Amino acid sequence: AQKITQTQPGMFVQEKEAVTLDCTYDTSDPSYGLFWYKQPSSGEMIFLIYQGSYDQQNATEGRYSLNFQKARKSANLVISASQLGDSAMYFCAMSHAGKFYFGSGTKLNVKP
Amino acid sequence: DAGITQSPRHKVTETGTPVTLRCHQTENHRYMYWYRQDPGHGLRLIHYSYGVKDTDKGEVSDGYSVSRSKTEDFLLTLESATSSQTSVYFCAISRATSGEKLFFGSGTQLSVL
Repeated sequence: AQKITQTQPGMFVQEKEAVTLDCTYDTSDPSYGLFWYKQPSSGEMIFLIYQGSYDQQNATEGRYSLNFQKARKSANLVISASQLGDSAMYFCAMSHAGKFYFGSGTKLNVKP
Repeated sequence: DAGITQSPRHKVTETGTPVTLRCHQTENHRYMYWYRQDPGHGLRLIHYSYGVKDTDKGEVSDGYSVSRSKTEDFLLTLESATSSQTSVYFCAISRATSGEKLFFGSGTQLSVL
């Protein structure tokens, strides 16, 4: 079975600092996709970034980057220069064979 | 924003009653999904569909059924609601299963008393 693990239920970061949210995944298949979603207190799910299993370079989208370490099966999200609006739940997800699996999430609080 | 509408947005019902949640999309995406979100569990897949009349079970399918008679509509039915099915339910769609992201609806807050 596919599995996504996020070991940090909650984190604090100072405004303007960088923060890394951890994600590990478990699959024996070579083809999969990795995603990060943000869920603010309003409840909507917002796509942040995607990494394919065959992609050689780490994905970046503005202040977001995905630190993809295939051998370690990790896909950590790095947010640079945190902003107050980054306070939210963050979910790591993996796609494989038509299904998308999610981790339990990390609640990030950005302190002014 | 992807055209996904979930209805109702909020529902309170009693144990043992049937409940149907509707997901409607205007994107003509092939794949549709139902998830439930509970604290500490993230989002868990209930059922998904890979085409009209083609559906399959997810991780937590017991107590739920689905139907997809048209590309745009994906219905989730709780045949006899239980308090353990109190949750936030999200519908999601995807154009493909490889390299494509999920687009989410706004969610349905369901309370079973």
